[in-house]
Amino acid sequence: DGGITQSPKYLFRKEGQNVTLSCEQNLNHDAMYWYRQDPGQGLRLIYYSQIVNDFQKGDIAEGYSVSREKKESFPLTVTSAQKNPTAFYLCASRRQGTDYGYTFGSGTRLTVV
Amino acid sequence: DAKTTQPPSMDCAEGRAANLPCNHSTISGNEYVYWYRQIHSQGPQYIIHGLKNNETNEMASLIITEDRKSSTLILPHATLRDTAVYYCIVRGNSGGYQKVTFGTGTKLQVIP
Repeated sequence: DGGITQSPKYLFRKEGQNVTLSCEQNLNHDAMYWYRQDPGQGLRLIYYSQIVNDFQKGDIAEGYSVSREKKESFPLTVTSAQKNPTAFYLCASRRQGTDYGYTFGSGTRLTVV
Repeated sequence: DAKTTQPPSMDCAEGRAANLPCNHSTISGNEYVYWYRQIHSQGPQYIIHGLKNNETNEMASLIITEDRKSSTLILPHATLRDTAVYYCIVRGNSGGYQKVTFGTGTKLQVIP
């Protein structure tokens, strides 16, 4: 079955450490997105990518980095510069140029300990 | 992209229809209305979308007003599993990146 897979589901990080969240899709979607969700809040866009080897900052990119070396993969690195990284992170993908909606992964819950 | 306004919460009795409203008064002619729902600690799930005609699928119906400034998502027979946060968003489909805002949505509580 086609879908979008995020791993791990839960992640614990010590302060000052970088950590990378994985996002893989086999839907052949061109665009991929990373969102952050805090308790009781909506989704805020961190980064997005419309094609391989290209990505753009979203609304809250500071302290995060991404890469898009393959169409299927869009990993997110939470760096030590992110002052409040504890949150629920969601990856999504979408086929360009159609009226299809977003397909979301099941999320990664990151906790700084 | 147009912004949307939704009530923060709603209750619905199990087995009854749940009608979730959304205002999108600044929607432009080429923007679609999409609905998603998010069950606690999961990723949002696509429900339905439409441009100007009413739409129905196995999950829900979408009613869009003639002026397209508002819409209503209808879950015809709500079950306890429909308890979730429901997001209404609008976006165009002309290609390229278009910023989409997922607000705080409507928290629907289905009551036994």
